[in-house]
Amino acid sequence: GQQVMQIPQYQHVQEGEDFTTYCNSSTTLSNIQWYKQRPGGHPVFLIQLVKSGEVKKQKRLTFQFGEAKKNSSLHITATQTTDVGTYFCAGPWSNDYKLSFGAGTTVTVRA
Amino acid sequence: GAGVSQSPSNKVTEKGKDVELRCDPISGHTALYWYRQSLGQGLEFLIYFQGNSAPDKSGLPSDRFSAERTGGSVSTLTIQRTQQEDSAVYLCASSLNPAGGTGELFFGEGSRLTVL
Repeated sequence: GQQVMQIPQYQHVQEGEDFTTYCNSSTTLSNIQWYKQRPGGHPVFLIQLVKSGEVKKQKRLTFQFGEAKKNSSLHITATQTTDVGTYFCAGPWSNDYKLSFGAGTTVTVRA
Repeated sequence: GAGVSQSPSNKVTEKGKDVELRCDPISGHTALYWYRQSLGQGLEFLIYFQGNSAPDKSGLPSDRFSAERTGGSVSTLTIQRTQQEDSAVYLCASSLNPAGGTGELFFGEGSRLTVL
């Protein structure tokens, strides 16, 4: 069946380092969304990418949507302790309003 | 209200009892979603409403689970004869859902269900 997969499941990062988390779909997505869930909190929307090959930046976060609209990545530079949490990608498949979430990448930061 | 409101925030029940979880979405949001999140896990899709209709109930785990939405607003998720494996945080989200795509989801704080 259709799936959204994220890798890695866990990311342990030294403060100040960069890392990337990846999201892959088995089928074409009409758009890709990223959410962040802090420990004990609920998912909060970060960004939405719609166009093939689109790249968007939010301060130290860079989001990319693949040319085939089947994969996406989130790159964080100079990781800070405030980046701790679980990052989820989510997307509706074409002609489908259901938003299916990946399993998430849980980020911990070593000071 | 300004955001998505869920109640109760915490519910402890005995195995076999029925529970009802409520979600009050952001005013004007036509789409409403229920997800389930077990400890340390991802978001498991349960059901999606567009207005009062549920075009996708594929995620409901069993016939013990049901959901309804009235007036295009409040939704209730009912779990009958609860089992211990039903213990999880039940998250509700709403979205404007513009034509042609799925808009940003706004999540509530969740209802934490514990079945003893």
